[in-house]
Amino acid sequence: GEDVEQSLFLSVREGDSSVINCTYTDSSSTYLYWYKQEPGAGLQLLTYIFSNMDMKQDQRLTVLLNKKDKHLSLRIADTQTGDSAIYFCAERPQTGANNLFFGTGTRLTVIP
Amino acid sequence: EAQVTQNPRYLITVTGKKLTVTCSQNMNHEYMSWYRQDPGLGLRQIYYSMNVEATDKGDVPEGYKVSRKEKRNFPLILESPSPNQTSLYFCASSQKGGNTEAFFGQGTRLTVV
Repeated sequence: GEDVEQSLFLSVREGDSSVINCTYTDSSSTYLYWYKQEPGAGLQLLTYIFSNMDMKQDQRLTVLLNKKDKHLSLRIADTQTGDSAIYFCAERPQTGANNLFFGTGTRLTVIP
Repeated sequence: EAQVTQNPRYLITVTGKKLTVTCSQNMNHEYMSWYRQDPGLGLRQIYYSMNVEATDKGDVPEGYKVSRKEKRNFPLILESPSPNQTSLYFCASSQKGGNTEAFFGQGTRLTVV
């Protein structure tokens, strides 16, 4: 499979911004995704970006894509305690149908 | 309500005892897949299915089998479980093609002793 890498842990104070980073190897990726996993639950899609876009904003979430460096980031503004979760980035290659390749996940801890 | 349902949620079993984890979706999705989640490794794909009677190996298929006899169901079979298959398993489904959201089940935590 493809290589998708993330740092494992991130801690931020409530009200600050969080930035979660991800690097991937497949330059033919069509879509890149951010999923959120709350304790004891499955994964839920937070947002996605198409590979021909540089940025996408959705309320408190901003996704930045640097295709040249194969770097994806998720910024959460005004981070709340409810944002504490594991965040996975995932890429969908051009080939391989609907297959998604996930990163290791970043555990975000929000400190009150 | 659109959902992916896995059963059981928790399972403790012994080495070598065959088991099946069921997965069912009610969204008429063509594509279904199984992942395992392990600390520090993220989610790794075990098997996937593009449609009925069409299954293929993912990144870590060894020790697992699947079947897709009906569109809604995609069971994961461990013929002879071993302790290294202790993990958290997720089933997912999506429509085929385009940018389609993958819907995940709640997960099955399997312990093999």
